[in-house]
Amino acid sequence: EAQVTQNPRYLITVTGKKLTVTCSQNMNHEYMSWYRQDPGLGLRQIYYSMNVEVTDKGDVPEGYKVSRKEKRNFPLILESPSPNQTSLYFCASSLRQGKWAFFGQGTRLTVV
Amino acid sequence: GESVGLHLPTLSVQEGDNSIINCAYSNSASDYFIWYKQESGKGPQFIIDIRSNMDKRQGQRVTVLLNKTVKHLSLQIAATQPGDSAVYFCAENMEGTYKYIFGTGTRLKVLA
Repeated sequence: EAQVTQNPRYLITVTGKKLTVTCSQNMNHEYMSWYRQDPGLGLRQIYYSMNVEVTDKGDVPEGYKVSRKEKRNFPLILESPSPNQTSLYFCASSLRQGKWAFFGQGTRLTVV
Repeated sequence: GESVGLHLPTLSVQEGDNSIINCAYSNSASDYFIWYKQESGKGPQFIIDIRSNMDKRQGQRVTVLLNKTVKHLSLQIAATQPGDSAVYFCAENMEGTYKYIFGTGTRLKVLA
């Protein structure tokens, strides 16, 4: 089954404690992206990747890092999480530029 | 489930009726649009897309209409079913860019 898998689904952490949210897709897609979703706002892109070792900033990259060492994985790294990064995060993948057809189930992150 | 929009506009329709969900997009240069469905606790699900060289596109039980003059997009769902209950939002993109603007969405409630 074609899917994008994120882990963990829920995470509560403390300010400043580094964390990683993993994302994996099994469709051999070149394009992957991370979004955050907050009440009253549409999805906002954090980072995206066009292929292995090729990444670029989205609209809200501050406080986040990503890596794309292999095609299937695109982890999101928060080196020093802060409460304003409390949000619902989604990873997406796409066969072609921009047609974000596959999203993960989401990761609910709470930073206290 | 996840609460992604505490005060979203809500459309309530009787089961079996047709639903029309509207979206006003922001950028007159946008030329590609996607409709997504997001059920509680799940990631966005691609429904249908349309390019700006088209006014209408049909899928299975869904039709998207595009009015570029007034920057308006609509999603029509025929014979609405309980499983259609979800938040629906649109996304716009300008060709050649990776930037998408996502709407906040409309909650569709299907009444039995």
